[in-house]
Amino acid sequence: KTQVEQSPQSLVVRQGENCVLQCNYSVTPDNHLRWFKQDTGKGLVSLTVLVHENDKTSNGRYSATLDKDAKHSTLHITATLLDDTATYICVVGDRGSALGRLHFGAGTQLIVIP
Amino acid sequence: DMKVTQMPRYLIKRMGENVLLECGQDMSHETMYWYRQDPGLGLQLIYISYDVDSNSEGDIPKGYRVSRKKREHFSLILDSAKTNQTSVYFCASSLGGRVTGQLYFGEGSKLTVL
Repeated sequence: KTQVEQSPQSLVVRQGENCVLQCNYSVTPDNHLRWFKQDTGKGLVSLTVLVHENDKTSNGRYSATLDKDAKHSTLHITATLLDDTATYICVVGDRGSALGRLHFGAGTQLIVIP
Repeated sequence: DMKVTQMPRYLIKRMGENVLLECGQDMSHETMYWYRQDPGLGLQLIYISYDVDSNSEGDIPKGYRVSRKKREHFSLILDSAKTNQTSVYFCASSLGGRVTGQLYFGEGSKLTVL
C-alpha cells in the first residue's frame, strides 16, 4: 500500500504563476519530510527538509509546510520559471538515523509553459 | 565537489546476463543506498550500506546483491538479469547517522534487459 500520496499527478502552469503541490502520507512514525526536484533523466536534488510539528521552510522561490497532525505537507513555488519544469518528489523518513526507511511518493510532474 | 557518480549511465543486457552497476562518492559518507525507480511508483530501496562490509536488505532485495569494499564505492550486482529488472537505478549517499542531513543522489543508471 502506498504510504506517500502526492497530488496532483501532473500540473501545467504559465511562467510567472504560483503553484502548490500536495503530499499526504500515512508513514508512522514520521520523523521528517523532504521535498526533492528531479529533472528529466537526472537524479534527485534536495529542496528542503521539514522536521518539526508545524515546520515551515523557505529556500528562494520554494517554501514548504508540514502538519504532522494531519500528516500533510505542501510545497509552494512562487513566480515559476521554465527551469522549474521537473518532477517534485515528497519523501517521508520514519527515523532520524540511517537505520530508518525513506518512503517515496511517485511525484508531481510540473510543466511550466511560456 | 560533493558528488555521487554512477556508471554506466545506460546499459542494455540480455536476459540471463550479469550486470554490474557502480557508484562512487567523494564525501566520505558512511551510508549509501541503491534504489530503483519505475514509472508511476516511488523509489524503492534495494539495499542500504552503513559502511564497508555492513550491508542490509531493503524492501526489494530479491535478485540483487551488493558489494562495498571501500567507503567511497558501492556496487549493485544482478546475477542473471531478468526482464522485470528493467528500470532506472539510483545510488545515494548520506552522512552516517543523521538522515535529516543532506542526501545526495547520482544521476541514475538506466538498465534495459531484453
